[in-house]
Amino acid sequence: ETGVTQSPTHLIKTRGQQVTLRCSSQSGHNTVSWYQQALGQGPQFIFQYYREEENGRGNFPPRFSGLQFPNYSSELNVNALELDDSALYLCASSLTGGANIQYFGAGTRLSVL
Amino acid sequence: AQSVTQLGSHVSVSEGALVLLRCNYSSSVPPYLFWYVQYPNQGLQLLLKYTTGATLVKGINGFEAEFKKSETSFHLTKPSAHMSDAAEYFCAVRQNSGNTPLVFGKGTRLSVIA
Repeated sequence: ETGVTQSPTHLIKTRGQQVTLRCSSQSGHNTVSWYQQALGQGPQFIFQYYREEENGRGNFPPRFSGLQFPNYSSELNVNALELDDSALYLCASSLTGGANIQYFGAGTRLSVL
Repeated sequence: AQSVTQLGSHVSVSEGALVLLRCNYSSSVPPYLFWYVQYPNQGLQLLLKYTTGATLVKGINGFEAEFKKSETSFHLTKPSAHMSDAAEYFCAVRQNSGNTPLVFGKGTRLSVIA
């Protein structure tokens, strides 16, 4: 158990809809990173939040957006869903400084039909 | 830019046999290196990490890995495979400074045969 919790565990949406995924970070961690893991692939970095500000972004379009709250929990929002957005979305929390080890939640499985 | 190559998308070993999962990385700056394991329908669990110091690192469940700078490798080994080791294994790299993200390989699926 990492102490990182994600909700919901599974989600089914249709193309064009919007979705919000949630993540509660491990106690004491101030940084949250989001990754997309397509079937049969390794996780790909979407973005990272530190002290409620986006602090790095991977190669994802602007329809992927996020928030971090004062308690360091986070949301990932995806607008105008496309079929290729079907994936496992992983949240990782860490404490900035030192080795900044990332600990992952169990993920949210998103299916876009 | 950093990248990770995991040789072999699928490795199959007999129970009790040596496990060797290969990982090579590319990084223009000194790296931090990680191995994560993913069981079916679950998230990623940290197996072990190399940050600084001793190049042979030990992790959970009897796994270990050795950082070889000259070979840009970080191969994962376990002397004796157990049925419960069957899972997907990911090697990852990140810069050893700043708040940089992990860059993952494509993963290696380990099957353990009784």
